[in-house]
Amino acid sequence: GENVEQHPSTLSVQEGDSAVIKCTYSDSASNYFPWYKQELGKRPQLIIDIRSNVGEKKDQRIAVTLNKTAKHFSLHITETQPEDSAVYFCAAKEYGNKLVFGAGTILRVKS
Amino acid sequence: DAGITQSPRHKVTETGTPVTLRCHQTENHRYMYWYRQDPGHGLRLIHYSYGVKDTDKGEVSDGYSVSRSKTEDFLLTLESATSSQTSVYFCAISFDGSGNTIYFGEGSWLTVV
Repeated sequence: GENVEQHPSTLSVQEGDSAVIKCTYSDSASNYFPWYKQELGKRPQLIIDIRSNVGEKKDQRIAVTLNKTAKHFSLHITETQPEDSAVYFCAAKEYGNKLVFGAGTILRVKS
Repeated sequence: DAGITQSPRHKVTETGTPVTLRCHQTENHRYMYWYRQDPGHGLRLIHYSYGVKDTDKGEVSDGYSVSRSKTEDFLLTLESATSSQTSVYFCAISFDGSGNTIYFGEGSWLTVV
């Protein structure tokens, strides 16, 4: 089955700087890659997603890029703010319409 | 809240007792999922359903069973709870009918003592 690896496990940035989180997946048949943000004690919330027929997608300060050949995708957050501090999860959808998640990245934005 | 409610939200139970968690949706979505979340492991799929009485196992299904007798309800049962099943359990639904655009419920915190 699908295996998703996520790096780094923790990331500290200064407010206003950019943050990048990277994920790799193993199953070349995976075709959907969402990113979730989870604040302490809350549910994971979908923030952006990308399908395998698209190389990049942007939504205001966040963007996701996908490299199908290398089987990796990344989340980019620009102009980080304290409210961006959270745990971020990447995921890949494998056969059978199931999402497999990475282990998560704790992002801390220092003001 | 994407029309998903989980109950109970918090539960403490003793080892060896059965526990059932309920996920209820109000919008008639086909796909429903149960995940557990543990530190260092992200979210791991326990079981999922693609229709009434249609369920399948995920990556960590041992010790769990599920049932879906109505479209709106997906039940997760721990037949005999163990301390290793102490976790946060999230129900999720897929909004687009193909396993994409998955939204989570608020979670159920289960402690097995």
